[in-house]
Amino acid sequence: KAGVTQTPRYLIKTRGQQVTLSCSPISGHRSVSWYQQTPGQGLQFLFEYFSETQRNKGNFPGRFSGRQFSNSRSEMNVSTLELGDSALYLCASSPWGGSNQPQHFGDGTRLSIL
Amino acid sequence: GQQLNQSPQSMFIQEGEDVSMNCTSSSIFNTWLWYKQDPGEGPVLLIALYKAGELTSNGRLTAQFGITRKDSFLNISASIPSDVGIYFCAGDTGGYQKVTFGTGTKLQVIP
Repeated sequence: KAGVTQTPRYLIKTRGQQVTLSCSPISGHRSVSWYQQTPGQGLQFLFEYFSETQRNKGNFPGRFSGRQFSNSRSEMNVSTLELGDSALYLCASSPWGGSNQPQHFGDGTRLSIL
Repeated sequence: GQQLNQSPQSMFIQEGEDVSMNCTSSSIFNTWLWYKQDPGEGPVLLIALYKAGELTSNGRLTAQFGITRKDSFLNISASIPSDVGIYFCAGDTGGYQKVTFGTGTKLQVIP
C-alpha cells in the first residue's frame, strides 16, 4: 500500500513569490491535514480537508491556503512568501479524520526562501 | 491555545540504557499519540492511546495515557542506535483531527 506522497521534496523560492505544494494521501483516505515544521516552533497545524471542504484551520495568515480535489489529493498554496516561511511542510492523511484515527505522514516538502 | 510541554528537549544516552520521556498538557485529551521522526522523513506513529490509564507496548516501547488525561509518557527499553531521532507526543481533543503536537525530544544514542 503506497504511503502519503508529497511533491516536490525540495523547493527554493525568493521573497514575494508564491508556491504550491502537492499531497497524495493513502488510497482510501479522505482526510488530509497540513503542518508546518520549524526548529523553533515544532509542528504547527495549518488546516484539514475532508471531501473537498476545509473543516479545521490553524492560526496562520490568509497567505496560506489549500484545497482538496475529488480524488482526495490536496494542494497547499503560500502567496507573497516571507523569509519566515522557510520550513518543512508535512501532509498527513487518515480515513475520515476521526479522533481515533492516527494520521499517516508524508516525508514533507522542504521550502527555502532566499 | 493548547500547549503540550514535552521533556526532556534532548538526551544523550548509552546504547543499552532505558529512556523515559513525557508530555503534559493544560487541557484534557481524548487521545494521546507518540510519533518518531527520522532525519529527512515524516513522523511515523509508534503508539496510540485512547483511554485514561491505558498502558500499551510496541516491542521495546511502552506508553501510558495518564489518569488525569493531561499527561502521557513513553519509555524505550534497552536502547539501540536506530532509536536515534525526534520523538513527538500529540494529543487530540476529539472532533476532526484537532491534533496538538509537543515540541519533541531529540534522542541520541551513543554506541
